Amino acid sequence: SQTIHQWPATLVQPVGSPLSLECTVEGTSNPNLYWYRQAAGRGLQLLFYSVGIGQISSEVPQNLSASRPQDRQFILSSKKLLLSDSGFYLCAWSLTGREQYFGPGTRLTVT
Amino acid sequence: KNEVEQSPQNLTAQEGEFITINCSYSVGISALHWLQQHPGGGIVSLFMLSSGKKKHGRLIATINIQEKHSSLHITASHPRDSAVYICAALQGGSEKLVFGKGTKLTVNP
Repeated sequence: SQTIHQWPATLVQPVGSPLSLECTVEGTSNPNLYWYRQAAGRGLQLLFYSVGIGQISSEVPQNLSASRPQDRQFILSSKKLLLSDSGFYLCAWSLTGREQYFGPGTRLTVT
Repeated sequence: KNEVEQSPQNLTAQEGEFITINCSYSVGISALHWLQQHPGGGIVSLFMLSSGKKKHGRLIATINIQEKHSSLHITASHPRDSAVYICAALQGGSEKLVFGKGTKLTVNP
């Protein structure tokens, strides 16, 4: 069966520090992968999605970036965090592009 | 105006009550998702539907494509149903989900 992992589960980082969040999927090949953010008081928002290794589409201009170095690995990064980057970050995968399966999430607090 | 609107924002019910959460969307969609987010943040997909009605246990989801409206019903609600319920529209011709802001449901014993 398929499993999706995210780490870390929680993270507290100072403004201006770098960020790296990792998402891995097990039990499937060539999934579509997604990064979402849920900011306080707001709905989930799609940040990036990837249909294959090295293929990243960005939905929202920001100081975040994403990379997909391996088929089942999706990384969200920032060189310098802003206070507004605080939120709950969710990774998701899909094979069909319709039904998406979400990871457990990473709660990021930028201080 | 958000492309996906949910109502109510907050809902408090007594155990055993019938619950209805509504979702309206303004975009053309190929499917609509209902998701459940637990207090810890984890999200579980409840339903994906593109027409008609789906039922799973005490949960029922309906969608009216013409009216661009979907509802999630919970029969015989229980405190363990307490969570945030999120409606998400899959935009037609894409893989992009547009999310509502969620409905926070609290079921008291």
